[in-house]
Amino acid sequence: NAGVTQTPKFQVLKTGQSMTLQCAQDMNHNSMYWYRQDPGMGLRLIYYSASEGTTDKGEVPNGYNVSRLNKREFSLRLESAAPSQTSVYFCASIRVGLDYNEQFFGPGTRLTVL
Amino acid sequence: GEDVEQSLFLSVREGDSSVINCTYTDSSSTYLYWYKQEPGAGLQLLTYIFSNMDMKQDQRLTVLLNKKDKHLSLRIADTQTGDSAIYFCAETNREYGNKLVFGAGTILRVKS
Repeated sequence: NAGVTQTPKFQVLKTGQSMTLQCAQDMNHNSMYWYRQDPGMGLRLIYYSASEGTTDKGEVPNGYNVSRLNKREFSLRLESAAPSQTSVYFCASIRVGLDYNEQFFGPGTRLTVL
Repeated sequence: GEDVEQSLFLSVREGDSSVINCTYTDSSSTYLYWYKQEPGAGLQLLTYIFSNMDMKQDQRLTVLLNKKDKHLSLRIADTQTGDSAIYFCAETNREYGNKLVFGAGTILRVKS
């Protein structure tokens, strides 16, 4: 199993450009998440998808859109990038267990917006 | 509201014990977690504790939970240079589909 994969690993954009971050998981998990990580702020939830065909806003959704293409794939789109979106983006999926839940994270995409 | 707080930095010598502390606010959290993030990588689950437990030991790791004070700690015995990483405390929030609420992370630096 590859787990959670993300592409690209690095990206530099100019203000106003658009791009899509790709995420896929091969663990047959229903729920998937997009987070951004900024220094000293932990991880903040952008959007999540509780199951195939559904998406919902998290804590910081402004400036982003998502698509749950199928059970495996959950993409994050920046329509018009802004310097405030410079961050490291993590995709995650969750294994819901009988006892505890475990989130699995991708390796991250480091995005710089100039 | 939900808030998970951690100290931002801890430096220890190789072989010493490390103690990373965390406070949380959601008393309804069933499980509390410690995640580890190595440089350039995503987060990985290190250990967890059920809210009815006071302590959990897993090899070099000891998790202590004081539910009354909403305080969680992670003790790493015989800290090694490979333990250098960022450690995140997390609690479950059922509002966003069981997502985890993370603290800001504690940078652990181990000096040889």
